[in-house]
Amino acid sequence: DVVMTQSPLSLPVTLGQPASISCRSSQSLVYTDGNTYLNWFQQRPGQSPRRLIYKASNRESGVPDRFSGSGSGTDFTLKISRVEAEDVGVYYCMQGTHWPWTFGQGTKVEIK
Amino acid sequence: EVQLAESGGDLVQPGGSLRLSCAASGFTFTTHWMSWIRQAPGKGLEWVATIKQEGSERYYADSVKGRFTISRDIAKNSLYLQMNSLRAEDTAVYYCARRRGDVWGKGTTVTVSS
Repeated sequence: DVVMTQSPLSLPVTLGQPASISCRSSQSLVYTDGNTYLNWFQQRPGQSPRRLIYKASNRESGVPDRFSGSGSGTDFTLKISRVEAEDVGVYYCMQGTHWPWTFGQGTKVEIK
Repeated sequence: EVQLAESGGDLVQPGGSLRLSCAASGFTFTTHWMSWIRQAPGKGLEWVATIKQEGSERYYADSVKGRFTISRDIAKNSLYLQMNSLRAEDTAVYYCARRRGDVWGKGTTVTVSS
């Protein structure tokens, strides 16, 4: 199975400051069709997960542009340019290239 | 509006069975892969199973293979998860999701306990 390793697991941030989460995979996530199926999800307290980023760097419709995804191969990053109060929650990366699909452990973002 | 609505979660004894349902609306159900993903209390997300458009291909996590069956009813726009031989470690909120997670339901809670 592909192991997804996120860091840090806890991220205290100051409102208005940037934040960055790393996600590394144990194998390349480039699929045979040339796409890289790496997603980022946000889960606010008491809510279902919501996809923010798909194929490593594509923002979902309606997601604020302060969220951005980057990376390739085995190394990926989610960045929040200026953290807002509504960004509190747990963030997960997920690979959908290899079976079984696997998630990272989650990164808890909280306000300092 | 695109929506997924899970139902069927309950308290069940170890070794028992349960069938979860997910009603899809607002999109063409037949053209999308569909998945079940679960989250144990206080834990992270775990992919459980996926079924392709016509149901010809199904994939399962090793932790549920041989015990769970994913299926879909095109006429009812519904996704199902038949869960047999349930164990305490199957206790979780079960979400249905479209494709690789672009749409999620609110989840249904399964508790396996005596």
